[in-house]
Amino acid sequence: AQSVSQHNHHVILSEAASLELGCNYSYGGTVNLFWYVQYPGQHLQLLLKYFSGDPLVKGIKGFEAEFIKSKFSFNLRKPSVQWSDTAEYFCAVNARWNNDMRFGAGTRLTVKP
Amino acid sequence: DAGVTQSPTHLIKTRGQQVTLRCSPKSGHDTVSWYQQALGQGPQFIFQYYEEEERQRGNFPDRFSGHQFPNYSSELNVNALLLGDSALYLCASRAGTPSYNEQFFGPGTRLTVL
Repeated sequence: AQSVSQHNHHVILSEAASLELGCNYSYGGTVNLFWYVQYPGQHLQLLLKYFSGDPLVKGIKGFEAEFIKSKFSFNLRKPSVQWSDTAEYFCAVNARWNNDMRFGAGTRLTVKP
Repeated sequence: DAGVTQSPTHLIKTRGQQVTLRCSPKSGHDTVSWYQQALGQGPQFIFQYYEEEERQRGNFPDRFSGHQFPNYSSELNVNALLLGDSALYLCASRAGTPSYNEQFFGPGTRLTVL
């Protein structure tokens, strides 16, 4: 069965620090990969997604993620975080032709001004 | 564009009762999925509706059932409520069933079972 692991439960950074949030999944077939963000008091929204092609995908607000197939990983990065990036971040995966999307437990990011 | 809307916002029920949650998809979307998000966890897929039929189901018991109406809105019904059903229930919609079409989430319904 598919599963998603997010390594960090809570990350605290100062503004301008670089961010990397880990995500690993277990599934042997072709997958679609996603990062969602939930800002305080707001809905879940899509940050970026990977289906095929260039394994380095760019999303909104300066975020990017790299799909490393050999490591079953899809880590989220941002070179310089801002206070407004404070939010909960969820990694998600589904098998290519399956809509059963599996989410990780989430990583809470706190950015100190 | 109102986006995905859900009602009610909060709900308190007691064990053994039944509950119905409602979802209106984003304009132009015809596929609705439901998720359960327990405190401190990521959302868990319950099921997906398209063309008024349940197309796919996650690992949830039959106590969880749903319906989709001709206007694409959807209901989630949970029977014989258990304490463990306390969670945030999220509705998400997309255009068509392909998983590469972006899925938009609603604000959720917070269900508390006492």
